[in-house]
Amino acid sequence: GDSVTQMEGPVTLSEEAFLTINCTYTATGYPSLFWYVQYPGEGLQLLLKATKADDKGSNKGFEATYRKETTSFHLEKGSVQVSDSAVYFCAAGNTPLVFGKGTRLSVIA
Amino acid sequence: NAGVTQTPKFRILKIGQSMTLQCAQDMNHNYMYWYRQDPGMGLKLIYYSVGAGITDKGEVPNGYNVSRSTTEDFPLRLELAAPSQTSVYFCASSYSAEFTEAFFGQGTRLTVV
Repeated sequence: GDSVTQMEGPVTLSEEAFLTINCTYTATGYPSLFWYVQYPGEGLQLLLKATKADDKGSNKGFEATYRKETTSFHLEKGSVQVSDSAVYFCAAGNTPLVFGKGTRLSVIA
Repeated sequence: NAGVTQTPKFRILKIGQSMTLQCAQDMNHNYMYWYRQDPGMGLKLIYYSVGAGITDKGEVPNGYNVSRSTTEDFPLRLELAAPSQTSVYFCASSYSAEFTEAFFGQGTRLTVV
């Protein structure tokens, strides 16, 4: 079945640092890919998505590009803020979505 | 919009007790899901439904049951609660199978003692 492997944290960065969270997937065909964010005490929210190869999803300064050749969907942000502190989940597939284990990001001022 | 609503938010059960976690969505979504999130872990799919009257098992269905009598509601039933079912449970819904995002509820934190 489909599976997602993402970089395990926790990741601690200083404000304005560059962020990369790696995500690779194993799936039949070319599934849609997603990044979700979970703030403390809340459910998951969609951060960005890409539905086909070479698509770039972007939102709130975060970006991820669907790389078919490397089966990857790495999340990047050029300058993180304290408010970006959360757990980030990579997900793949159609129905149902398959999630990675999540990466906890802490940004310190 | 209310989106996906889960109740209760918190619950403590004793071993062997039963309970139903409620989930309702008001977006007319066909697809609904139940996930559990253990501490420090990702989400594991328990059950999902592609429409009223249709349900299917996910990765970890043992100890749970679901029903989908209406498009809006997708309750999760725990029979004979065990400590291993201590977790945070998330309900989600989506419009279709492909390309669309899943909307999540706020979660139910369940502790079995």
